Amino acid sequence: SQQGEEDPQALSIQEGENATMNCSYKTSINNLQWYRQNSGRGLVHLILIRSNEREKHSGRLRVTLDTSKKSSSLLITASRAADTASYFCATDADGGFKTIFGAGTRLFVKA
Amino acid sequence: DTEVTQTPKHLVMGMTNKKSLKCEQHMGHRAMYWYKQKAKKPPELMFVYSYEKLSINESVPSRFSPECPNSSLLNLHLHALQPEDSALYLCASSQDATYEQYFGPGTRLTVT
Repeated sequence: SQQGEEDPQALSIQEGENATMNCSYKTSINNLQWYRQNSGRGLVHLILIRSNEREKHSGRLRVTLDTSKKSSSLLITASRAADTASYFCATDADGGFKTIFGAGTRLFVKA
Repeated sequence: DTEVTQTPKHLVMGMTNKKSLKCEQHMGHRAMYWYKQKAKKPPELMFVYSYEKLSINESVPSRFSPECPNSSLLNLHLHALQPEDSALYLCASSQDATYEQYFGPGTRLTVT
């Protein structure tokens, strides 16, 4: 079964707006990661947040982690058309190597 | 060099064929992964190699056979596949467990 569930499934916004995606998971984790995937291509790692961290920033990205609620959010500020992609959260299980991806959020940024 | 390469980019094979997918990384990573991804779905973990030893097999059918000849290379041998095995096959590597993974561009496999 999937560890992570994401919402919304799809999100359409105008360039310059912020995009927020949420991820929920079921079991305890060591870390949670966010990845981006452009259509039909490999995944690109965006950010990793460890279980003892609550918030992390990287450029226009802000990730939060609430281990009590088993949830995380990814905020992309001042979105650009180039941010159009699918975004996945991923959690580790069984000691770390077993990575389970959420269903993903498809983001479409209109120019 | 933070690149993971995969060959071939596309592969079409019949159900009786034998083929192999290849993956290579030169980042000194000790863990390598195979994922299968169907259209509009998340990647699903198939196999994990840690220090060249198979550490995770996610109950993958035996028609998929992984191999790790050395710390930089990962192969996936395919034999007697079914049409439902058509998917994007992604390879990834990481420094170790709980570290970020670097993905290759994938091999688009079609089984006819």
